[in-house]
Amino acid sequence: EDQVTQSPEALRLQEGESSSLNCSYTVSGLRGLFWYRQDPGKGPEFLFTLYSAGEEKEKERLKATLTKKESFLHITAPKPEDSATYLCAASSGTYKYIFGTGTRLKVLA
Amino acid sequence: NAGVMQNPRHLVRRRGQEARLRCSPMKGHSHVYWYRQLPEEGLKFMVYLQKENIIDESGMPKERFSAEFPKEGPSILRIQQVVRGDSAAYFCASSTFGQDTDTQYFGPGTRLTVL
Repeated sequence: EDQVTQSPEALRLQEGESSSLNCSYTVSGLRGLFWYRQDPGKGPEFLFTLYSAGEEKEKERLKATLTKKESFLHITAPKPEDSATYLCAASSGTYKYIFGTGTRLKVLA
Repeated sequence: NAGVMQNPRHLVRRRGQEARLRCSPMKGHSHVYWYRQLPEEGLKFMVYLQKENIIDESGMPKERFSAEFPKEGPSILRIQQVVRGDSAAYFCASSTFGQDTDTQYFGPGTRLTVL
């Protein structure tokens, strides 16, 4: 069964303390790996799409990487406004995204 | 605002009533997906529609739930005779081509509370 697992479930960082979020996937034939940010009471906001192992994408303090088994979202020198739940999703031959349950990130000033 | 729009943002219904959730896709997008998010759970796929066609409703409960995307107007997710277990956040997403490599863009969601 296709599955996406995110870790840790929750993460507290001091402002400026870099870290990484993990997204492990077991899908038959990955076609796309997607990262979203979700703030409380809002919809998922698109961050990155990765298509093949070795691919990397960056946006401000965020960098997403992809291997054959997992994806990482690296957060460099985070700020309090980076606090949110980060979701990853995988597609494998269909348009149905398979979502993980997310990592709740809290960045303390 | 060229993003995905959903309304209402919050909906309260009593058990047995009907709930209608609307979604207008991003400009230029003709593929609409509905997902449901329960507390502490990930988003779960419900249904995929194109204009006037239901492509895949495999994630939608067989009874009480229906969806449509008419030629004119928004996509509608309809829940008849709501029960407490239907309380959740319902998100609509849209994409350009409907392919498995497409990026889906999400709306702000409708939070349904069943009393």
